[in-house]
Amino acid sequence: DTAVSQTPKYLVTQMGNDKSIKCEQNLGHDTMYWYKQDSKKFLKIMFSYNNKELIINETVPNRFSPKSPDKAHLNLHINSLELGDSAVYFCASSPDLGTQYFGPGTRLLVL
Amino acid sequence: AQSVSQHNHHVILSEAASLELGCNYSYGGTVNLFWYVQYPGQHLQLLLKYFSGDPLVKGIKGFEAEFIKSKFSFNLRKPSVQWSDTAEYFCAVKSTYKYIFGTGTRLKVLA
Repeated sequence: DTAVSQTPKYLVTQMGNDKSIKCEQNLGHDTMYWYKQDSKKFLKIMFSYNNKELIINETVPNRFSPKSPDKAHLNLHINSLELGDSAVYFCASSPDLGTQYFGPGTRLLVL
Repeated sequence: AQSVSQHNHHVILSEAASLELGCNYSYGGTVNLFWYVQYPGQHLQLLLKYFSGDPLVKGIKGFEAEFIKSKFSFNLRKPSVQWSDTAEYFCAVKSTYKYIFGTGTRLKVLA
């Protein structure tokens, strides 16, 4: 029944490591997003894909690379993790003009 | 550049008090407007949305919001808050494929 799912839910890792977060939606939506929510709860869009094509790429370090193997999946790979990458990462999906449906979030802690 | 401003960062109310959270945006074109709520430890969920038509929209849990085009505002209201309304509230504006979220308002309702 889960509409938007993310794995893992928690991720604790060392600086310099490479990690991936996966996102899947079963709503049939065309558009998917990655957001970063920092410790002050500020929510900032990072990327958006529409039908597997990148349509929004905000000012994000190129250590972050999204990949969309199909329109139901949008994964986020992070290279050379830094302390400042610690945050909650939310995946979301939406029909083109509709409401966003958020995943449960992935809490990333970089030590 | 497009932006969304939420004027109240922290609001503390007693149960049964009335609530109004401000949201202003800067964008001259057609927009869709949303309020999302994030309960402690959870992901964002839609409270209500405005696309067109009646500028007074009603959402879940007794919330409503009024779109005032001339003021570029979309304020959230609830006549009588409950302890369970304690959460973070985000206003969001959508144009084309891009969502912009406000910085959020943290509401604490005292029992």
